[in-house]
Formats: sequence, structure tokens, C-alpha cells
Amino acid sequence: SQKIEQNSEALNIQEGKTATLTCNYTNYSPAYLQWYRQDPGRGPVFLLLIRENEKEKRKERLKVTFDTTLKQSLFHITASQPADSATYLCALGAMDTGRRALTFGSGTRLQVQP
Amino acid sequence: EPEVTQTPSHQVTQMGQEVILRCVPISNHLYFYWYRQILGQKVEFLVSFYNNEISEKSEIFDDQFSVERPDGSNFTLKIRSTKLEDSAMYFCAGSGAYGETQYFGPGTRLLVL
Repeated sequence: SQKIEQNSEALNIQEGKTATLTCNYTNYSPAYLQWYRQDPGRGPVFLLLIRENEKEKRKERLKVTFDTTLKQSLFHITASQPADSATYLCALGAMDTGRRALTFGSGTRLQVQP
Repeated sequence: EPEVTQTPSHQVTQMGQEVILRCVPISNHLYFYWYRQILGQKVEFLVSFYNNEISEKSEIFDDQFSVERPDGSNFTLKIRSTKLEDSAMYFCAGSGAYGETQYFGPGTRLLVL
């Protein structure tokens, strides 16, 4: 069955450091992968999308990589700030089959210490 | 910037009662979705809706659930006879023509007693 794993439930880092979050998947051939931010009691907020034929995407302090051979995506937040503290979700989509449903990982809770 | 809105923000109901959760998607979106998140668990897909009909649904979306777009702006999820295990956050989402990036609403927290 399809499985998405995010490397750890929680990650604590110091302000100014780079946070690296991992998303691994099995039994899946996604057309694209997305990263969302979720704050407690709130809906997911879209951050970045990367397609299967793309290796890397950047947006301001965010960078995402996608390795379809390793079946892995890495999500980096550089120069992290306490305001970046949240849960980060990866989500896979398979539009090549006409499906648009996103399959989410369980998330990694990032805590940035001042 | 346009946002997805959902009402109510919180709903408490008795087991066996019917609830209707409402969503106003972003106006130029074409695809609409409902997801749910049980406390402490993953966000799970329920159903997608396009061109006034269901385009895809998960195993969770059984006969007790239904969706409707009663007018040009609202999108509703009805749970006919609620169960204790229906307690969760319910998120509405929408996407544009290519259906990739989905924009989520703030959610409705449903508590079934």
C-alpha cells in the first residue's frame, strides 16, 4: 500500500540555522509533491510545489528537492526564525491518472528556538 | 488576497444528528475538495467535486456523506447520521484549472457527543 513518511515527529533548531525536513514515499509514483505549513487548529497553507521532472525549487528562504529515484523530498528553511515554528506537511498528487486527491504525510513539528 | 472561508468554525452535535458544513471557495476555482483531520492524525482526503458532480472519493466517504454546490458560491458537506468517530477537523479546499495546488480553508471543528 502507499506510504508517506516524514522523518521525525519533531525537530528543534536554533534561530538562524537551516532546518531540513524529509519526506519519503513508497508504492507511489507521484506527478508532483507539495509542502504545506499547518499551525495548531488551522488549515494547511500551501508553500511550494515541485513536479516529478524538477530537481529543485526555491522560494525566498525555502528550498525543496525531489529525487524520484530515492523516492524522497527534502524541504529546507534557511535562516530559520521563531515564526517558522509550525508543523510542515508533505503531500503527493498523482494527476497523471486523473486523480487530484492529495495524500498527506503525518507532518514534522518544527520548533525554532530564539 | 482571496481566501477560502468555512462555517461554522465549531460544531457540537449529538450522535445520530445530521450536520451540514459550509464552505465558500475562491471564486475562480473549479475543483473543490473536502478533507478531514482527526486530532493528532494525518489530513485525509474525503471527496473531490468538479462540474457539479463527484469526481473522486475515498473509502471514508460512504453513504452517510454527501456534497452539494447549491449555488454558484457555496460548497457543502452533509453528514447524515453522525457517529462519535466523525469528530474531526473538516477542511474545504479548492484548486484552479490544473488542479494541482489546493488552497485550504480554516476548517470546521466537529465534535460528536
